[in-house]
Amino acid sequence: QLQLQESGPGLVKPSETLSLTCTVSGGSISSSSYYWGWIRQPPGKGLEWIGSIYYSGSTYYNPSLKSRVTISVDTSKNQFSLKLSSVTAADTAVYYCARFVVVVAANDYWGQGTLVTVSS
Amino acid sequence: QSALTQPASVSGSPGQSITISCTGTSSDVGGYNYVSWYQQHPGKAPKLMIYEVSNRPSGVSNRFSGSKSGNTASLTISGLQAEDEADYYCSSYTSSSPVVFGGGTKLTVL
Repeated sequence: QLQLQESGPGLVKPSETLSLTCTVSGGSISSSSYYWGWIRQPPGKGLEWIGSIYYSGSTYYNPSLKSRVTISVDTSKNQFSLKLSSVTAADTAVYYCARFVVVVAANDYWGQGTLVTVSS
Repeated sequence: QSALTQPASVSGSPGQSITISCTGTSSDVGGYNYVSWYQQHPGKAPKLMIYEVSNRPSGVSNRFSGSKSGNTASLTISGLQAEDEADYYCSSYTSSSPVVFGGGTKLTVL
């Protein structure tokens, strides 16, 4: 059974960089059938897609966050990572990693999510 | 990239049917048959319920169905049960990015 697990600091200071890693187990991140993505959800609000990456390193980013986001992949560790720079309180959210099935354009497996709070 | 439009809330009694709409544009919902729906219970990760407008993943109840007309997609839940009370999000492929979500709809089972 495929599992995704987010990890990283739960507290980040304003203006600093948020860094999270998603570890994939039970399947290979190098499959040609999938992209791997990050989605966030501010407390009490809806889902916001951040961006996605292919195992080759090809990326798509949400235009509203593109200037601050970097997503990378490490196929040797079966992991992909998110960096979000210059964070503010508005970036406080639960961050999910998820698998995106290319042929049906849907996220079928999700991590449990990790809350990141931006505060001094 | 604008979010898809969903009603903030819907409600229904056990056994009834409800429909949640998801309105986009010809650049997303109307242009592609790549609409998906997710169910999210409080404190949990979203769960894929419908993909490609009307297809159900293995294990999802056939009480859940999806459809699309023009720029609006719909999720229908028949035979409402207490466990269906949750937030529901639509998502679509778009001409400029692989994913855009709707604002979410809170379903209350009365």
